[in-house]
Amino acid sequence: AAGVIQSPRHLIKEKRETATLKCYPIPRHDTVYWYQQGPGQDPQFLISFYEKMQSDKGSIPDRFSAQQFSDYHSELNMSSLELGDSALYFCASSPFGGQGSLYGYTFGSGTRLTVV
Amino acid sequence: KQEVTQIPAALSVPEGENLVLNCSFTDSAIYNLQWFRQDPGKGLTSLLLIQSSQREQTSGRLNASLDKSSGRSTLYIAASQPGDSATYLCAVRPATDSWGKLQFGAGTQVVVTP
Repeated sequence: AAGVIQSPRHLIKEKRETATLKCYPIPRHDTVYWYQQGPGQDPQFLISFYEKMQSDKGSIPDRFSAQQFSDYHSELNMSSLELGDSALYFCASSPFGGQGSLYGYTFGSGTRLTVV
Repeated sequence: KQEVTQIPAALSVPEGENLVLNCSFTDSAIYNLQWFRQDPGKGLTSLLLIQSSQREQTSGRLNASLDKSSGRSTLYIAASQPGDSATYLCAVRPATDSWGKLQFGAGTQVVVTP
């Protein structure tokens, strides 16, 4: 079965550079979520999209932005990178987003971002 | 605000023993609870999803129970194997959240020794 695809798997950037992370949800999943997991931390919610519109926003820095495209893939853009942005970034998708959903999440394998 | 706690933070057992992992949450208004497994530096693999109306879910050697009124879930892993070594996270989907973002616990790190 198709899973959530994230690219790249690993990314090394220097401080103040820009990074773009991509996520391809499971077909027919209309909701995408982005999470950040620092070393030894639990995943923290960043932002979500439902039907290509931003649906919710968590603790996402202003330096980060994201969007969901017509084919439902999503991109997380991170500018002016800081050392503290080094983390695992996960994308998850779920069908029939919004209130009352009975479905669980499927997570991608993540992108490991290292800022040096 | 929903808070999710997992106890213990770490657990080491000899192969063959049963594992019992606990998850508690402060607000019983949830749609569902999901258990995940995470290997070091890897992604989150969904193990079991329990709807708020359910009491338990089973998959192979895994069994998860849910007591929504007391805000608790327990993951049982029978006859543990070294391959079960990983971090196990529970996450709830609060009913008070319109867009369904998950609230995670900090995880229980499990080591199964041969």
